[in-house]
Amino acid sequence: KNEVEQSPQNLTAQEGEFITINCSYSVGISALHWLQQHPGGGIVSLFMLSSGKKKHGRLIATINIQEKHSSLHITASHPRDSAVYICAVRSLGSGGGADGLTFGKGTHLIIQP
Amino acid sequence: EADIYQTPRYLVIGTGKKITLECSQTMGHDKMYWYQQDPGMELHLIHYSYGVNSTEKGDLSSESTVSRIRTEHFPLTLESARPSHTSQYLCASSLPTGVNEKLFFGSGTQLSVL
Repeated sequence: KNEVEQSPQNLTAQEGEFITINCSYSVGISALHWLQQHPGGGIVSLFMLSSGKKKHGRLIATINIQEKHSSLHITASHPRDSAVYICAVRSLGSGGGADGLTFGKGTHLIIQP
Repeated sequence: EADIYQTPRYLVIGTGKKITLECSQTMGHDKMYWYQQDPGMELHLIHYSYGVNSTEKGDLSSESTVSRIRTEHFPLTLESARPSHTSQYLCASSLPTGVNEKLFFGSGTQLSVL
C-alpha cells in the first residue's frame, strides 16, 4: 500500500517569504500531482510531475524519483497563496485511472500580510 | 478554469431521505470520479467511471451508487441518508494518464445529515 506523507502539516509565514512544502511516498510511482484547495473546498491542479522540475509563475515543483520525494516551492509568497496544498501519487502498475491514485492529507498554509 | 459543476453546494437533510448529488462536465472527459473528504483528512475514492455505462467502486466502502448514462453527467445517489454520511463530496474528471494527465475538480457538495 502506498503511503503519502506531507510536511509540514501546518505552516504560517509572512508575506514575501520563500515557502517549501514536502511530499514523501513509499512505492514506485508513474506520476505525482500537486493540488491547491481553497477554503470552501474547490481544488485546482497545479502540476503533474513524472521527473525533474516544473515552474509556473511563482510556483516551482521538483521530484526526486530515487529518493521518493517531491517539493513544492512558492517564491515571494502572498496572502492569496493561503490554501491547503495536496500531494497525490499514482502508483506504478496501477493501470491508470483512479484506482492507483493516493492522496496526502495536505499542508495548510497561511500567509500573513 | 473549472468546467466541472456540482450541485447543490450545501445540503442539510434528515435521516432516511434519498438524495442525489449532481456532477456535470463540459470537457468531454471519459474518466470521472467521486471522492469523499472529511475535515483535515485526505481524499478517498468512492466511485469512478471510465466512460458511459462503466462504473466501479473505489477504495472507500460507500453505501452510495452512481450512474453514467451520458459522458458529461455522473450523479451520486444515497438511497437512505444517515448521519455517518455527513462529509464533503468532490466530483472530478481527468485527461488520460500520460504526459498530459491532469485532474479537474468541482467545487464540492458539503452534506450534513441530521
